[in-house]
Amino acid sequence: ETGVTQTPRHLVMGMTNKKSLKCEQHLGHNAMYWYKQSAKKPLELMFVYNFKEQTENNSVPSRFSPECPNSSHLFLHLHTLQPEDSALYLCASSQEAGGTDTQYFGPGTRLTVL
Amino acid sequence: AQSVTQPDIHITVSEGASLELRCNYSYGATPYLFWYVQSPGQGLQLLLKYFSGDTLVQGIKGFEAEFKRSQSSFNLRKPSVHWSDAAEYFCAVGLNYGGSQGNLIFGKGTKLSVKP
Repeated sequence: ETGVTQTPRHLVMGMTNKKSLKCEQHLGHNAMYWYKQSAKKPLELMFVYNFKEQTENNSVPSRFSPECPNSSHLFLHLHTLQPEDSALYLCASSQEAGGTDTQYFGPGTRLTVL
Repeated sequence: AQSVTQPDIHITVSEGASLELRCNYSYGATPYLFWYVQSPGQGLQLLLKYFSGDTLVQGIKGFEAEFKRSQSSFNLRKPSVHWSDAAEYFCAVGLNYGGSQGNLIFGKGTKLSVKP
């Protein structure tokens, strides 16, 4: 595997379910990101991890809980979501955190909340 | 506040025609600028980036972009569009606060359709 991978690619869940999204990067990077992409809205940065430490949380509701056990893996735990949380969730990585390094994106997980 | 504007939501061009996608940014410091492309069902792929130096930047797939500080613009161009270029294009500005602080701010994207 190369680049940034995400699983699952598609997920349908009810509002009372608990699920997790997984991201893995094979690029040797130190920073990882979660973005939300909704129709007709710019990409929204959710979380940033640098060397496994969370460095940014953009006022994301607590029903989204990130986890970064090491620099290669990033999870997004989901619980009691709302229908408006339906979106494409993109993971990215870069050599270092910050706005100057190129970010490499995974293919995303298409989430539908019923 | 920092922002990125892509004024065209949707553009349709004929195959073989030239293309220019517009991007304007608002950022007080020297910007780091990126263009990404997203095909349906896929993540974002970097086309090109500008950090410093020559204001005309060459990227992959025959794309180029020109940084114009006076106009706060970073427009993407391609002299001859191929049907496979149909996708959504995102301009982004990298904010640099020093150290590990700072992020990418994305525009809303421009969807490109290509007519045969």
